[in-house]
Amino acid sequence: GESVGLHLPTLSVQEGDNSIINCAYSNSASDYFIWYKQESGKGPQFIIDIRSNMDKRQGQRVTVLLNKTVKHLSLQIAATQPGDSAVYFCAENNFGNEKLTFGTGTRLTIIP
Amino acid sequence: NAGVTQTPKFQVLKTGQSMTLQCAQDMNHEYMSWYRQDPGMGLRLIHYSVGAGITDQGEVPNGYNVSRSTTEDFPLRLLSAAPSQTSVYFCASRPGGTWTGELFFGEGSRLTVL
Repeated sequence: GESVGLHLPTLSVQEGDNSIINCAYSNSASDYFIWYKQESGKGPQFIIDIRSNMDKRQGQRVTVLLNKTVKHLSLQIAATQPGDSAVYFCAENNFGNEKLTFGTGTRLTIIP
Repeated sequence: NAGVTQTPKFQVLKTGQSMTLQCAQDMNHEYMSWYRQDPGMGLRLIHYSVGAGITDQGEVPNGYNVSRSTTEDFPLRLLSAAPSQTSVYFCASRPGGTWTGELFFGEGSRLTVL
């Protein structure tokens, strides 16, 4: 079946630096790509999404880039803060239905 | 608003026992779903509902039943628990209308089957 995967399972970043979390996907028919953040002991929390007809989308301190040619998605977090420590998941979706396919997650650790 | 509330937060079962994980949302969301999260794997969709009285299977539905008699509630039933169902279960909801990719998740129910 189709899968969504991540290049790195863990990432350590100095506080104040920028973080880049990568994700590879295999379903070229996916319409939506979404990033979620999960803090320890909590449910995932929506960060940002991007549609397949876009290359870039910006939010507050976050930017998502989509490269459909190589089926690659990335989440950039600017000026990383201790509160950014969490596991980050990418997910993909077809046709706006309920069937989100999640990646395995990347743990982001902030070094003080 | 409480958002999405899951109970219980922790549960230990013996193989063959049955139980129901409760999920309630107070946001009048049309869509609700159940996911399971296992170590080293992403969340996987078990069942979902697009409205009261309507449910459908996700990626891993075997061993689980659901029903949606009201907009607010979406319980997940394990009829005969197996060790393979040891996992953290998340309920999620979203409003109808334009899909934004945003699901609202509960805080999870950790289930251990011995």
